[in-house]
Amino acid sequence: AQTVTQSQPEMSVQEAETVTLSCTYDTSESDYYLFWYKQPPSRQMILVIRQEAYKQQNATENRFSVNFQKAAKSFSLKISDSQLGDAAMYFCAYRSDSSGTYKYIFGTGTRLKVLA
Amino acid sequence: EAGVVQSPRYKIIEKKQPVAFWCNPISGHNTLYWYRQNLGQGPELLIRYENEEAVDDSQLPKDRFSAERLKGVDSTLKIQPAELGDSAVYLCASSLEARDNEQFFGPGTRLTVL
Repeated sequence: AQTVTQSQPEMSVQEAETVTLSCTYDTSESDYYLFWYKQPPSRQMILVIRQEAYKQQNATENRFSVNFQKAAKSFSLKISDSQLGDAAMYFCAYRSDSSGTYKYIFGTGTRLKVLA
Repeated sequence: EAGVVQSPRYKIIEKKQPVAFWCNPISGHNTLYWYRQNLGQGPELLIRYENEEAVDDSQLPKDRFSAERLKGVDSTLKIQPAELGDSAVYLCASSLEARDNEQFFGPGTRLTVL
């Protein structure tokens, strides 16, 4: 069975600095996607960034980028120039695309605090 | 465009009582998900619909939970009877298709069972 592990329950970063959130996963599948979701205190989760497993190039979305190490099964999120609005829970998620299951598995989340 | 709508936002009930949650996905989205999010945890899938069909309900506790998505649009998730351990946030999400690379989440319903 696939698993997603986020080993950092909480992280802090100074405003305008850079922070990296860690995520590891375990799978024997070759066809999958990885995602980072943000959940602000209002609870509505939004997609931050996604990565196709077959793509070697790391995904980037403005201040957000990932470091995807497929062999190591690692998928970290880097937030550059951190802003107060980045404070939230961040969830790493794995989606199996094998056999049309498209099932999402989420990690336990990392709470990010941004210090002014 | 309206996002995923859920109601109620909060619900407090006594154990053994029934409860129902309602979700209206984004217009045109064929895939609908119900998740349960326990405190301090990530969402866990309960059921996924493709139009009216429940294509993955392997994690739904069928002895007390039921769901329906009539006409392939809005959906209702029911718990009867509720237990103390059912206290959680129930999230609904939708996507155009299951293989679409973005789910859109609703604000969730926070259930407290006393």
